[in-house]
Amino acid sequence: KAGVTQTPRYLIKTRGQQVTLSCSPISGHRSVSWYQQTPGQGLQFLFEYFSETQRNKGNFPGRFSGRQFSNSRSEMNVSTLELGDSALYLCASSLSQGGNTGELFFGEGSRLTVL
Amino acid sequence: GENVEQHPSTLSVQEGDSAVIKCTYSDSASNYFPWYKQELGKGPQLIIDIRSNVGEKKDQRIAVTLNKTAKHFSLHITETQPEDSAVYFCAARGGYQKVTFGIGTKLQVIP
Repeated sequence: KAGVTQTPRYLIKTRGQQVTLSCSPISGHRSVSWYQQTPGQGLQFLFEYFSETQRNKGNFPGRFSGRQFSNSRSEMNVSTLELGDSALYLCASSLSQGGNTGELFFGEGSRLTVL
Repeated sequence: GENVEQHPSTLSVQEGDSAVIKCTYSDSASNYFPWYKQELGKGPQLIIDIRSNVGEKKDQRIAVTLNKTAKHFSLHITETQPEDSAVYFCAARGGYQKVTFGIGTKLQVIP
């Protein structure tokens, strides 16, 4: 069974640009969450989608947005990039939202560098 | 919202010794406490979890304890091996809420 796939794995952008990251969850998983990982800040929750609906949202500015498609694939977008947006963006899928199935399956991440 | 504190941030142990990582959480409604291990260049992977109706859970060299009254939970790794070297994250979740992670502990096992 294929794991969580994130693309692209690495990208470099300049301030002011926008970026779109993609995540394909494990087949059959309907929940997708996004996290930002930076040194010293751990894993910061961005948002969670379940059946194409955003169910939870973290404390990030409106420049960060996401969506989920009917096949459970998800994208996140960051507009007007700032230097502080440089981070590893991790996507995680799970079988269902919360409830009894808690395990998150993470992809290897998309490393974004903003110059 | 939930707040998870984790310590220490770095931990060095000799091979064969035990390692303990401690976390506290703030939301008494949290009822699910997973631990993730992140190796270099990879995403975090679940290694063990515990639910609020259980006080302790063990899986070979790894054990987790939960004290709901004190809102503490801990990860214990016995007989550490070099391949245990990684960053470990504790987390907490209540119902359909988001999973909140601690800041991570970088564990180094010295051969």
